[in-house]
Amino acid sequence: ETGVTQSPTHLIKTRGQQVTLRCSSQSGHNTVSWYQQALGQGPQFIFQYYREEENGRGNFPPRFSGLQFPNYSSELNVNALELDDSALYLCASSPGRSHYNEQFFGPGTRLTVL
Amino acid sequence: AQTVTQSQPEMSVQEAETVTLSCTYDTSENNYYLFWYKQPPSRQMILVIRQEAYKQQNATENRFSVNFQKAAKSFSLKISDSQLGDTAMYFCAFIGTNAGNMLTFGGGTRLMVKP
Repeated sequence: ETGVTQSPTHLIKTRGQQVTLRCSSQSGHNTVSWYQQALGQGPQFIFQYYREEENGRGNFPPRFSGLQFPNYSSELNVNALELDDSALYLCASSPGRSHYNEQFFGPGTRLTVL
Repeated sequence: AQTVTQSQPEMSVQEAETVTLSCTYDTSENNYYLFWYKQPPSRQMILVIRQEAYKQQNATENRFSVNFQKAAKSFSLKISDSQLGDTAMYFCAFIGTNAGNMLTFGGGTRLMVKP
């Protein structure tokens, strides 16, 4: 069984650029959540997708957007990058929307904005 | 809005000893779930233990157990017989049934297990 994978591992962008991060969910999981983890802090919820529909959103501006595909993989897009967007971006998949479900995390994408 | 607070930024423990990590949370919801996640250095975050708020019995998973005090809004993690592999960041997390699927994390506690 393949776990959650994310690409790329590391990424360097400049302020104002756009970035797309990718996540492949664990086999059998139809729910994907995205988190931003700034250095030395806990993860912050960006949004969740369930069966290709957004299913909850945290306190992030609209320039953070996402997609989920029919195979339940997902993308996180960030437009007009700002220096404060530098962080580890984590993707987590789970087998459904239940609040009690364990979320299985990927290794993350380290984004640096210069 | 829900908040989760971990008041111990760093802790250390000798191998084979017991350590307790603290977590408090604030919510107006009555039905919710609490989790402890572990993030080892340069490795993926994994679930350690979880607790349903309507269950009075404290959850236990092998060497890991929780002390859930609903009235005090406290959810501490006890690690018994600490092992070197327990060295990691530990995050307490909360999700309410009215939270729109938003899992809220605390700031984390860095635990170092010393040989």
